[in-house]
Amino acid sequence: IAGITQAPTSQILAAGRRMTLRCTQDMRHNAMYWYRQDLGLGLRLIHYSNTAGTTGKGEVPDGYSVSRANTDDFPLTLASAVPSQTSVYFCASSGGNTGELFFGEGSRLTVL
Amino acid sequence: GQNIDQPTEMTATEGAIVQINCTYQTSGFNGLFWYQQHAGEAPTFLSYNVLDGLEEKGRFSSFLSRSKGYSYLLLKELQMKDSASYLCAVMDSNYQLIWGAGTKLIIKP
Repeated sequence: IAGITQAPTSQILAAGRRMTLRCTQDMRHNAMYWYRQDLGLGLRLIHYSNTAGTTGKGEVPDGYSVSRANTDDFPLTLASAVPSQTSVYFCASSGGNTGELFFGEGSRLTVL
Repeated sequence: GQNIDQPTEMTATEGAIVQINCTYQTSGFNGLFWYQQHAGEAPTFLSYNVLDGLEEKGRFSSFLSRSKGYSYLLLKELQMKDSASYLCAVMDSNYQLIWGAGTKLIIKP
């Protein structure tokens, strides 16, 4: 089934640990995004990539890094996790006639 | 700054009609999106408006007035499965999406 796959779906992590959230799409979309979603707040953009080989910072990039070695994969890394990074993380790609976003199922991360 | 406002929560009755409003102030405008998000799931695309007027898609319609910085999502013949959060998002002049916090819609029998 075409779409976006995220892994892991859920993770509990000790503060200070390194963590990579994986994201893979098979729709050949150029643009990909990482968002975090917290209760009472809108989706906030962490990092984005308009095409393979390029990345950019979003609204809340601190503490996160991304890479885009190819079209399909867009991993998000937390170098040293902190409790404020407890959130639900969504990977998305944009395509279609209107450029709408297609989201992965989300990764629920808890940092203790 | 850029801002998207929508009500936090609304309640409606099965079979009825509900209108969810969204007002925005953004740096430029390149379209407005509505997404539906069921609890614990990913957002899914509902509608896109870039010109003023009403876009109808089955039981759902979306309206845009660019001069007023205003949109609404209209849901007709409400069903229990419509219980979800509805997210309004505007694409600004840099083609970045600005998101509202979402409106949680509760449908009662």
